[in-house]
Amino acid sequence: AQSVSQHNHHVILSEAASLELGCNYSYGGTVNLFWYVQYPGQHLQLLLKYFSGDPLVKGIKGFEAEFIKSKFSFNLRKPSVQWSDTAEYFCAVNDRGFQKLVFGTGTRLLVSP
Amino acid sequence: DAGVIQSPRHEVTEMGQEVTLRCKPISGHNSLFWYRQTMMRGLELLIYFNNNVPIDDSGMPEDRFSAKMPNASFSTLKIQPSEPRDSAVYFCASSSGRGGEQFFGPGTRLTVL
Repeated sequence: AQSVSQHNHHVILSEAASLELGCNYSYGGTVNLFWYVQYPGQHLQLLLKYFSGDPLVKGIKGFEAEFIKSKFSFNLRKPSVQWSDTAEYFCAVNDRGFQKLVFGTGTRLLVSP
Repeated sequence: DAGVIQSPRHEVTEMGQEVTLRCKPISGHNSLFWYRQTMMRGLELLIYFNNNVPIDDSGMPEDRFSAKMPNASFSTLKIQPSEPRDSAVYFCASSSGRGGEQFFGPGTRLTVL
């Protein structure tokens, strides 16, 4: 069965610091990869997605993620975080051809001003 | 497009009462998902439908939970009887079937006293 691991459960950064959140998945087939963000008290929103092509994907609000197939990883990055990036971040994977997404356990990011 | 619509947004009820949560997916989407989110267990997939047919209900916690999708534009999640441990935020999401990207509704915050 597919699984998604997010190793950092809580991350605390100061504004302007760089961010990298790890995501590893276990599945040998062809997958689609996603990062969702959930701001406090809100629902999940899509940050970015990878289906195929350039493994470096750019999303909204300055976020990007790199798909490294050999490492089964899809890490999320942002060069300079802002206080407004305080949120929970979820990595998700699905097997192409299937609708079900497998989510990681989430990483709570706190950015101090 | 109005996005995924859920009602009610908040529900407070007493233990033993029946609770019905409602979801209207994005028009044209053929897959619908019900999730539950708690601090302790994170985001859990309860059930999902494809073309109004339940495909995977392995996440439904017990027989007190049931879900229906009578047509392409409406789904319900029912808890009968409700218990305090059912207190959570319940999200509905829909997908068009291309690539697996899911769009989440605003959620229903359920409190069972």
